[in-house]
Amino acid sequence: QKEVEQDPGPLSVPEGAIVSLNCTYSNSAFQYFMWYRQYSRKGPELLMYTYSSGNKEDGRFTAQVDKSSKYISLFIRDSQPSDSATYLCAMSRDDKIIFGKGTRLHILP
Amino acid sequence: ETGVTQTPRHLVMGMTNKKSLKCEQHLGHNAMYWYKQSAKKPLELMFVYNFKEQTENNSVPSRFSPECPNSSHLFLHLHTLQPEDSALYLCASSQRDRARGTEAFFGQGTRLTVV
Repeated sequence: QKEVEQDPGPLSVPEGAIVSLNCTYSNSAFQYFMWYRQYSRKGPELLMYTYSSGNKEDGRFTAQVDKSSKYISLFIRDSQPSDSATYLCAMSRDDKIIFGKGTRLHILP
Repeated sequence: ETGVTQTPRHLVMGMTNKKSLKCEQHLGHNAMYWYKQSAKKPLELMFVYNFKEQTENNSVPSRFSPECPNSSHLFLHLHTLQPEDSALYLCASSQRDRARGTEAFFGQGTRLTVV
């Protein structure tokens, strides 16, 4: 079983919709959880960073962590065409950061 | 000035060539990383340097040789690569802090093609 599982998509949603992106993980040693956004031909950009179970909100983005279910989510409200990118979940344990495969998201105008 | 700068952005090299990738971070971080990103695969951690000391070598072939002369600079020396080594090579840095974890900040990457 892979340490971090993420559906690669692609996921296409209409502009203005709420987007839900998810990852599951198998190792309970993961303590810190991150979401990165990667545009084509660019490096990943850190979007959200969280430690504890629960929700963290930043503008249109909400990161949710459920450590008991080993499940994390990223919600994007009022999605825009500029949100079209690949979203990678990442988790750290010890001094390692492990990434999911990334989900390709298309916001349709 | 961007936080993490990688050069070159694109590189095409033959299998017998020797080349180097360069990474510089302007964030005052104490850890630097090399990752490989291939199509349809997760980011693969290659090397970790913490305060200039290599703390992780993730079973990377010896044709990849990292160098970290100081906490702001990281190199990846390449020699006798294979076509399957073609990928996006990403450098990242972080401030190691046990209280906050280790979120990483990435450069734009070097798109490497081995012919």
